[in-house]
Amino acid sequence: QLQLQESGPGLVKPSETLSLTCTVSGGSISNSDYYWGWIRQPPGKGLEWIGTIYYSGGTDYNPSLKSRVTISVDTSKNQFSLILNSVTAADTALYYCARGKVVVSGAIWQSWFDPWGQGTLVTVSS
Amino acid sequence: DIVMTQSPDSLAVSLGERATINCKSSQSVLYRDNSLDYLAWYQQKPGQPPKLLIYWASTRESGVPDRFSGSGSGTDFTLTISSLQAEDVAVYYCQQYYSPPITFGQGTRLEIK
Repeated sequence: QLQLQESGPGLVKPSETLSLTCTVSGGSISNSDYYWGWIRQPPGKGLEWIGTIYYSGGTDYNPSLKSRVTISVDTSKNQFSLILNSVTAADTALYYCARGKVVVSGAIWQSWFDPWGQGTLVTVSS
Repeated sequence: DIVMTQSPDSLAVSLGERATINCKSSQSVLYRDNSLDYLAWYQQKPGQPPKLLIYWASTRESGVPDRFSGSGSGTDFTLTISSLQAEDVAVYYCQQYYSPPITFGQGTRLEIK
């Protein structure tokens, strides 16, 4: 059974860099049927897609965050990572990693997310 | 971006009664080449990550009780719980995957009346 686990600092200072890692167990991150994503949820609020990566390294980012986000993959460690630069209090959120199913429909390749990690709370504060 | 708008924001239903949650997209998420709607539904219980319930607007994920069903096409979708159980108390989200960026509805909180 595939499981995902987020890890990283729970507190980041304003203007600094948020860095999280998602470790995948029970399956290979190199499975070509799937891609890997980051989604966040501010406390008490809804879900925001951050970005997605395919095992080969191809990425897609939310334009609202694109200038500050980098997602990378390490297939040797079965991990993928999120870097978010120049954070502010607005970046305080529960950060989830999740697996997505590749669908092939013309230019469309992303789909639903399942399963999700338990999430890790990142607070931006001095 | 495709904006997903759910209604109502919150809903209270008696045990055993039907619960209906609506989701409207700002543009069609129907891909005409395969006649599929690129829409999913999730359930999020307190302190837990979202759980996939339905994809392709109406395909139930394995293991999801059959009291959950999805319907609709184009821009208007519905998640129906045919007979509400206590364990269904949660926030429900719709998500489109037709066009990046992937976007979610704001969520509908479902409670017991």
